[in-house]
Amino acid sequence: DARVTQTPRHKVTEMGQEVTMRCQPILGHNTVFWYRQTMMQGLELLAYFRNRAPLDDSGMPKDRFSAEMPDATLATLKIQPSEPRDSAVYFCASAEGAEQYFGPGTRLTVT
Amino acid sequence: AQKVTQAQTEISVVEKEDVTLDCVYETRDTTYYLFWYKQPPSGELVFLIRRNSFDEQNEISGRYSWNFQKSTSSFNFTITASQVVDSAVYFCALSGYNTDKLIFGTGTRLQVFP
Repeated sequence: DARVTQTPRHKVTEMGQEVTMRCQPILGHNTVFWYRQTMMQGLELLAYFRNRAPLDDSGMPKDRFSAEMPDATLATLKIQPSEPRDSAVYFCASAEGAEQYFGPGTRLTVT
Repeated sequence: AQKVTQAQTEISVVEKEDVTLDCVYETRDTTYYLFWYKQPPSGELVFLIRRNSFDEQNEISGRYSWNFQKSTSSFNFTITASQVVDSAVYFCALSGYNTDKLIFGTGTRLQVFP
């Protein structure tokens, strides 16, 4: 049963620290998405890649967030420096066609 | 602009009741996809269904059914004989045919009581 995996599942960090979240998409899926979920904003698309190339990162605060796909099996989302308003659940999803399959999420708390 | 509206913030039912979750969407695309996802208390998002805009046939999968009506821009989701395990937040989402971006509604929290 192929699944998207994300690490870590939980992260607590202090303001100003760097945070890196990792995602392993489903093997064979060529599109990878990063979403953020908060109570206030709901589910928001931050960025996505197809065949490892960034297609859209317009939802991402450029000054502190960066997303990369070093290879087809790994996507990373980095926040530097982190701020309390970044506290949220970050989801990775992968897709081969129109259906996106989500990972379990990384719950980030920035104090 | 694309938009998905789930007007029901929270619904509570007793087990075995039928319940319908409403979803209304806005798009200028002539071809698009509609989706439903389930988010149980554990937090993951579970894909339930995808419909293409050119296919208005209703779909049934076990206790779940979906009613797609282009005339009213609605894609409603009905759970028949609800169970406690159906308790979750349900999200309706929309994407254009030539874009991968999913636009989510704000979700409907369904609580099924024994």
